[in-house]
Amino acid sequence: AQSVTQPDIHITVSEGASLELRCNYSYGATPYLFWYVQSPGQGLQLLLKYFSGDTLVQGIKGFEAEFKRSQSSFNLRKPSVHWSDAAEYFCAVGKNYGQNFVFGPGTRLSVLP
Amino acid sequence: DVKVTQSSRYLVKRTGEKVFLECVQDMDHENMFWYRQDPGLGLRLIYFSYDVKMKEKGDIPEGYSVSREKKERFSLILESASTNQTSMYLCASSKNTEAFFGQGTRLTVV
Repeated sequence: AQSVTQPDIHITVSEGASLELRCNYSYGATPYLFWYVQSPGQGLQLLLKYFSGDTLVQGIKGFEAEFKRSQSSFNLRKPSVHWSDAAEYFCAVGKNYGQNFVFGPGTRLSVLP
Repeated sequence: DVKVTQSSRYLVKRTGEKVFLECVQDMDHENMFWYRQDPGLGLRLIYFSYDVKMKEKGDIPEGYSVSREKKERFSLILESASTNQTSMYLCASSKNTEAFFGQGTRLTVV
């Protein structure tokens, strides 16, 4: 069965610092991969997605992620974090043309002024 | 702009009550989902539906049922609410690619 791990439960960075959130997945075929962000009390918003092609994908709000098949990873990065980026971030694997999504446990990001 | 709307942001119900959580999407998506979100556990799938009147159990269906009488509406039903069902409930829809989420309903069972 497919699974998603996010090793970091909580990360704190200073505003302006770079950020990398880790995601590893277990899935037999080439997965659809997603990063979502959830602000407090809100639903999930899609940051970016990978289906095929270029392994470095760009998303909204200045985020990017890199798919590494050899490491089964899809890490999220941002070169300079803003205070408004404080939120919870979820990595997800999708399959069956949108009929099945598996989410990681989430990483909570705190941003210091 | 795509939209998934959950009927309530906050609900407080008593133990034993029958609870209905409603979700409506305006994107003509075939697939709709109900997730439960708890700290440290991420999102866990309760049920999903891939067509009208069709449903599939997810990872934690016990204590829940669903109804999908129309394509745009997917209801989650707690037949007899219990305190361990206090949680954030998220509805989502999808067609072929990513899932789109509603704002969530925070349910407290007292």
